[in-house]
Amino acid sequence: LAKTTQPISMDSYEGQEVNITCSHNNIATNDYITWYQQFPSQGPRFIIQGYKTKVTNEVASLFIPADRKSSTLSLPRVSLSDTAVYYCLVGDRSGANNLFFGTGTRLTVIP
Amino acid sequence: KAGVTQTPRYLIKTRGQQVTLSCSPISGHRSVSWYQQTPGQGLQFLFEYFSETQRNKGNFPGRFSGRQFSNSRSEMNVSTLELGDSALYLCASTLTGGHKVDTQYFGPGTRLTVL
Repeated sequence: LAKTTQPISMDSYEGQEVNITCSHNNIATNDYITWYQQFPSQGPRFIIQGYKTKVTNEVASLFIPADRKSSTLSLPRVSLSDTAVYYCLVGDRSGANNLFFGTGTRLTVIP
Repeated sequence: KAGVTQTPRYLIKTRGQQVTLSCSPISGHRSVSWYQQTPGQGLQFLFEYFSETQRNKGNFPGRFSGRQFSNSRSEMNVSTLELGDSALYLCASTLTGGHKVDTQYFGPGTRLTVL
C-alpha cells in the first residue's frame, strides 16, 4: 500500500480557501486518492475521491497532477466548523480494505 | 438509511479482563473493517471481514480477534486487556469489493478505557 505524507497542521482564517497537499510518491496504477475528515471523538467521514486531474463536489475539490505523485484538497471559504483532521489515503481494492490513514493534517480555522 | 452503529459507546475495564465490541454496518454493506485510534499511533487498521471471512489483518497481537455474522454484523474481542489498549475503536462498513476503492462509512466508535 502506498504511504502518504501530509503537513501535520495548518491554520487558516474564516472565509479563506485552504489547500492541503499530500505526497504519495509510490502510488500505483490502480490506486485512487481519497480524503477523509475527522472531528474529535467521531469516526472519519468521506470527503472526496479521485483518480486523475480534477474532481469537485459540493464541499471540496481535489487536484491531481499528471504524475499522480501528489494531490491537493481544496476547501473553499472555510468556516469554524471545518476545524478537523484531514486524512489523505491512496489504495486500490486488491481484495483488502486496509487503508493506511497516516497522521493526517490538523486544520484549525481561526475567527 | 441508518448509519453504522457501534455498541457500547463507552467502556471501562481493568487490566487482564476481556472485552467484546459490536458493530452493525449499513444495511446491504458486506464488508466491515475495524480500526484502533490512539493519540500516539493514530488510526491503525485491525482487520476486515467480508462475507463472514477475515479478508485482511493488520499488525496486532493475537489478543485482538473478530468475527462476522451472516447478517454482516461484526464483533471484535480483546482478551487480557493491557493499559495500552485504551483507545477509540472504530468500525467502518463498505458495500463490497471492486476495482475502485469503496467509500468507508465509519461508526461513532467505542471509547475503551483500561484501568
